[in-house]
Amino acid sequence: RKEVEQDPGPFNVPEGATVAFNCTYSNSASQSFFWYRQDCRKEPKLLMSVYSSGNEDGRFTAQLNRASQYISLLIRDSKLSDSATYLCAVSRGASKIIFGSGTRLSIRP
Amino acid sequence: EAGVTQFPSHSVIEKGQTVTLRCDPISGHDNLYWYRRVMGKEIKFLLHFVKESKQDESGMPNNRFLAERTGGTYSTLKVQPAELEDSGVYFCASSHGGAGTGRYEQYFGPGTRLTVT
Repeated sequence: RKEVEQDPGPFNVPEGATVAFNCTYSNSASQSFFWYRQDCRKEPKLLMSVYSSGNEDGRFTAQLNRASQYISLLIRDSKLSDSATYLCAVSRGASKIIFGSGTRLSIRP
Repeated sequence: EAGVTQFPSHSVIEKGQTVTLRCDPISGHDNLYWYRRVMGKEIKFLLHFVKESKQDESGMPNNRFLAERTGGTYSTLKVQPAELEDSGVYFCASSHGGAGTGRYEQYFGPGTRLTVT
């Protein structure tokens, strides 16, 4: 079983829609949780960090459920520019990040 | 503030040759990490430096890979001799590593795309 699991998608939604991704992690000692965005042939770019139960930044909301060991990312009012792969990532302190395999999102006009 | 930089952006070498990748972290970041993504797989951790010391090298595939960070600034990752399965994208990341903030975000460089033929 992978340490971080995500639905690979692809998710194909119309512009303006709300889309949600879920991610589960197996190591209960995980302390830090992140969502990264990765465009084709580019590096992962940090989208959001989640240290407590949740975090909101504009159209993006991330939530953490430690009891169930899952993290979610909600994108509201999706834009064409949101099309990318979204990577769930967990770590313990300053140690290595464990990435999920990513969820592909495609926003259609 | 400049981000993480990596050189070269692409490298094509033949099996058996040697390649050295370089990473310059964000200024002031003591923590430097190497990751690799091979085609069709998730990004995997290779190695973690704190300043010039190797904190965790559990992800290094084998002894053909050698990472250094002399002086605690930039880092190099050497692959010698390269094998076909070493092809992939090598990412470097850096972070403050908590440093009194309790925040551990890692920021990634653009990667080096290595092709071994």
